Amino acid sequence: DSGVTQTPKHLITATGQRVTLRCSPRSGDLSVYWYQQSLDQGLQFLIQYYNGEERAKGNILERFSAQQFPDLHSELNLSSLELGDSALYFCASSVEPGGGYGYTFGSGTRLTVV
Amino acid sequence: GENVEQHPSTLSVQEGDSAVIKCTYSDSASNYFPWYKQELGKRPQLIIDIRSNVGEKKDQRIAVTLNKTAKHFSLHITETQPEDSAVYFCAVMNYGGSQGNLIFGKGTKLSVKP
Repeated sequence: DSGVTQTPKHLITATGQRVTLRCSPRSGDLSVYWYQQSLDQGLQFLIQYYNGEERAKGNILERFSAQQFPDLHSELNLSSLELGDSALYFCASSVEPGGGYGYTFGSGTRLTVV
Repeated sequence: GENVEQHPSTLSVQEGDSAVIKCTYSDSASNYFPWYKQELGKRPQLIIDIRSNVGEKKDQRIAVTLNKTAKHFSLHITETQPEDSAVYFCAVMNYGGSQGNLIFGKGTKLSVKP
């Protein structure tokens, strides 16, 4: 167990629907990062939060949004889902925004859009 | 923004041989270079990292070398074993910079044949 908790582990939904992925960072970590990993693709950076505030955006679609709550857990909202959104979504956390000691990844949420 | 190129995309070696994976990056301000190992269906895990003030770092059978002038770094695995089979990702960060998020290469699928 890495200490980063992601729920649910698997999600199957239909095109056009909206889903919410949840991440609880490792105890003491203030930064949360979301990554998307499609089949045979690398880890695409989506968005970063630090202590409740957005710090950086990567290749995140307008249909996607995220937030970090006062208890530091984060949620990634995916709406108007398309088949191409099927992927493994990872959350990672670190103590500070720059990490500097690497990230700790959660086990991921596998999203299947049918 | 930062661009990370990783080669090769696949690598097959015989057990006991060495494996080398190379990455190049574009932002000369980048100063933190971790490597992650991802086994099938699992989360990426940090296996070794190096900072810009060091040229080489070793941890048992794995080592990382960094050439800041040429903006490339490499992962070396010696005496490979079947359990080394996985996808390896390099990553780059401008630690202490305004963003501080990891940008990943596309990964190298390493297969170690018994």
